[in-house]
Amino acid sequence: EVQLVESGGGLVQPGGSLRLSCAASGFTFSSYWMSWVRQVPGKGLEWVANIKEDGSEKYYVDSVKGRFTISRDNAKNSLDLQMNSLRAEDTAVYYCARDRTRFDPWGQGTLVTVSS
Amino acid sequence: DIQMTQSPSTLSASVGDRVTITCRASQSVSGWLAWYQQKPGKAPKLLIYKASTLESGVPSRFSGSGSGTEFTLTISSLQPDDFATYYCQQYNNYPWTFGQGTKVEIK
Repeated sequence: EVQLVESGGGLVQPGGSLRLSCAASGFTFSSYWMSWVRQVPGKGLEWVANIKEDGSEKYYVDSVKGRFTISRDNAKNSLDLQMNSLRAEDTAVYYCARDRTRFDPWGQGTLVTVSS
Repeated sequence: DIQMTQSPSTLSASVGDRVTITCRASQSVSGWLAWYQQKPGKAPKLLIYKASTLESGVPSRFSGSGSGTEFTLTISSLQPDDFATYYCQQYNNYPWTFGQGTKVEIK
């Protein structure tokens, strides 16, 4: 069964940092782009970043460029999102997703709350 | 960035109804459009990609059409399990962008 499980969410103060992880199983992780997508509770979806199969290409939405870094470890079947200089507007549920340009499957999400 | 606009934002319908949701792009995305279904507290689920290709395992009552800037998602006969929020997503240009969602409610 293809499965993605996120971890690392929590409460952080504005200006703080947090690292999210996504553990993949049930498919050949190293053969797929991977993405992070976020959703403010009760609101819509926003694509955040993605990374090529071998990590050689990365793309970000403008609002996180210079603050967030996506990375992957194909030996461990894991995807990370390092989030620095966090702002209140980064509060959201963060999903990892296999990115075949369309997203499938998705993890269950991890909630990040940025608040003092 | 390409803006995706869905209409309506909310739709009230009954079991058995034919339902159509529209998604318009601010510029052409060719056929690079996907549709997702999301239920409360759950992750989105892919329904359709490349505008009209049904994802494996998705019931055939779901269909998609369109190209360029205008797309539709149709549910031919609404079932109780279909009450949810639906999102379109373009993947023609970075950043990938989503519509604001259409909530399908019970009438």
